[in-house]
Amino acid sequence: GQSLEQPSEVTAVEGAIVQINCTYQTSGFYGLSWYQQHDGGAPTFLSYNALDGLEETGRFSSFLSRSDSYGYLLLQELQMKDSASYFCAVSDYSTLTFGKGTMLLVSP
Amino acid sequence: EAQVTQNPRYLITVTGKKLTVTCSQNMNHEYMSWYRQDPGLGLRQIYYSMNVEVTDKGDVPEGYKVSRKEKRNFPLILESPSPNQTSLYFCASSGTLRGTQYFGPGTRLLVL
Repeated sequence: GQSLEQPSEVTAVEGAIVQINCTYQTSGFYGLSWYQQHDGGAPTFLSYNALDGLEETGRFSSFLSRSDSYGYLLLQELQMKDSASYFCAVSDYSTLTFGKGTMLLVSP
Repeated sequence: EAQVTQNPRYLITVTGKKLTVTCSQNMNHEYMSWYRQDPGLGLRQIYYSMNVEVTDKGDVPEGYKVSRKEKRNFPLILESPSPNQTSLYFCASSGTLRGTQYFGPGTRLLVL
């Protein structure tokens, strides 16, 4: 089976940098994904890491260490609109298993 | 526009009354999946389908059925809904990478 751990809540101020960590245990692993979900909305895909290292997409970056079963999402230059829940998820050949999510609160 | 659509978006029903939530995607994806989301539990997979006529159970399949007769459609069927199936349901699809899934807008279901 798969299990993931991520913090339940993170707070930060506008313009700051925040890192959301994710550790996982998995019996089969293809990659680590990150999704954003605003209150009441659909999850939207942010990033996917299959190999070790850092992937950068604009203000968001995602990191993976397969040997440590660990990854993180880095959000830079935080904006109020970044207030949302962020989910890490591990995928294998057939499924995507989500963590319970991290609520990010950005204050002015 | 590439999208996943679900209907209905909101549904209130009573225990035992069969219902179907439809899901359709226009991206020619082979893989489709259903999730339910409950407060504090994240998204949990109900069923998934690797291709037409190929479906399999996810983590929480009890009380649900699915079918995949066409590539674009993947309906979720609750034959005898119960109050513990009150939840927010999402349909999703993906290409070859399971980690990059596109989600529908969600269906809020209340079973009385």
